[in-house]
Amino acid sequence: GENVEQHPSTLSVQEGDSAVIKCTYSDSASNYFPWYKQELGKRPQLIIDIRSNVGEKKDQRIAVTLNKTAKHFSLHITETQPEDSAVYFCAATANQAGTALIFGKGTTLSVSS
Amino acid sequence: GAVVSQHPSRVICKSGTSVKIECRSLDFQATTMFWYRQFPKQSLMLMATSNEGSKATYEQGVEKDKFLINHASLTLSTLTVTSAHPEDSSFYICSARGPENIQYFGAGTRLSVL
Repeated sequence: GENVEQHPSTLSVQEGDSAVIKCTYSDSASNYFPWYKQELGKRPQLIIDIRSNVGEKKDQRIAVTLNKTAKHFSLHITETQPEDSAVYFCAATANQAGTALIFGKGTTLSVSS
Repeated sequence: GAVVSQHPSRVICKSGTSVKIECRSLDFQATTMFWYRQFPKQSLMLMATSNEGSKATYEQGVEKDKFLINHASLTLSTLTVTSAHPEDSSFYICSARGPENIQYFGAGTRLSVL
């Protein structure tokens, strides 16, 4: 089955800096890679996703890149703000009916002002 | 956007009791829903895949007799934690695949077993 590795487990940056979180996956059948932001005690919220037919996707300060050959994908947050502080999870799935998201272990991002 | 409703949000119960958690897709049909468990400061671990009209598929190490899953309609899946014990205390979250194949999560249920 799928195995997703995520690094780093914690990341501290100054407000305005960039933050990068990296994930690798094992199953070449995976073709959908979402990123979720989770605040304490709340549900994960989808912030951006990428499908295997593209290499990069951007939404304002957030971007995701995908390297299918190397089986890794990354989340990039630019101009970080204190409200970006949360736990971020990457996930991977073959995104077919009946296949679940498999999550990385999470990255706790702390943005200090 | 698509909404997944999960109830209750918080349960405190005595050891040995059973607890039922409901997960509903409010504006779309979901033939498949997923149940995850999350311990403090840890990731979401897939427990089982709930299939409408058929048996759930459990991940390795998850006791199917302990965590009963029923998916009786296209919009409702339930997870029953039977004979709950303190080690079952956790955050349980359901999800369903909605429009554009995006997975939407319920708000989660925090179970505390005394």
